Amino acid sequence: RKEVEQDPGPFNVPEGATVAFNCTYSNSASQSFFWYRQDCRKEPKLLMSVYSSGNEDGRFTAQLNRASQYISLLIRDSKLSDSATYLCVVNSGNTGKLIFGQGTTLQVKP
Amino acid sequence: DVKVTQSSRYLVKRTGEKVFLECVQDMDHENMFWYRQDPGLGLRLIYFSYDVKMKEKGDIPEGYSVSREKKERFSLILESASTNQTSMYLCASSPLPKDTQYFGPGTRLTVL
Repeated sequence: RKEVEQDPGPFNVPEGATVAFNCTYSNSASQSFFWYRQDCRKEPKLLMSVYSSGNEDGRFTAQLNRASQYISLLIRDSKLSDSATYLCVVNSGNTGKLIFGQGTTLQVKP
Repeated sequence: DVKVTQSSRYLVKRTGEKVFLECVQDMDHENMFWYRQDPGLGLRLIYFSYDVKMKEKGDIPEGYSVSREKKERFSLILESASTNQTSMYLCASSPLPKDTQYFGPGTRLTVL
């Protein structure tokens, strides 16, 4: 079983739609959680950290469910510029290593 | 702004050549990482370093070595390049071990 699992998609949505991605992780000792965004042929960039209480940044909302060991990302009012691959990232237990999911691809259509 | 730079964006080498990939960060970060990214496999950790002259194997260290002589610089070495090392190589740095990692632009290496 992979340490971090995501549905690869692609998710094809119209502009203005709300879309949600989920990610599950296997190590219950994980403490740090992130969503990264990666554009085609570019490096991953931090979108947002995920906190236990949930957090919001503009149109983006991240949630953490420790009991079920999953993380979610909600994007409201999708823009064409949101088209990218979204990587779920979790630290590997007590080590400093981050484990990256394979990513979920989002295509926002006009 | 954190800046992580990598020596080359594109590199073409021949089988058996020794290849050096350089990474430099300007934020005085203790931790530096080398990954490779392949379609369908995601990012896989090759080596990482928590301090100068210190290195730890990641998940796929075979065929690679690293060097960290200065805090800001972390080099990845392919002693004898092989075609299965054709990949996108990404360097990252972070201030703390479990903290956000900042990536360089990547080096797309092709081994012929």
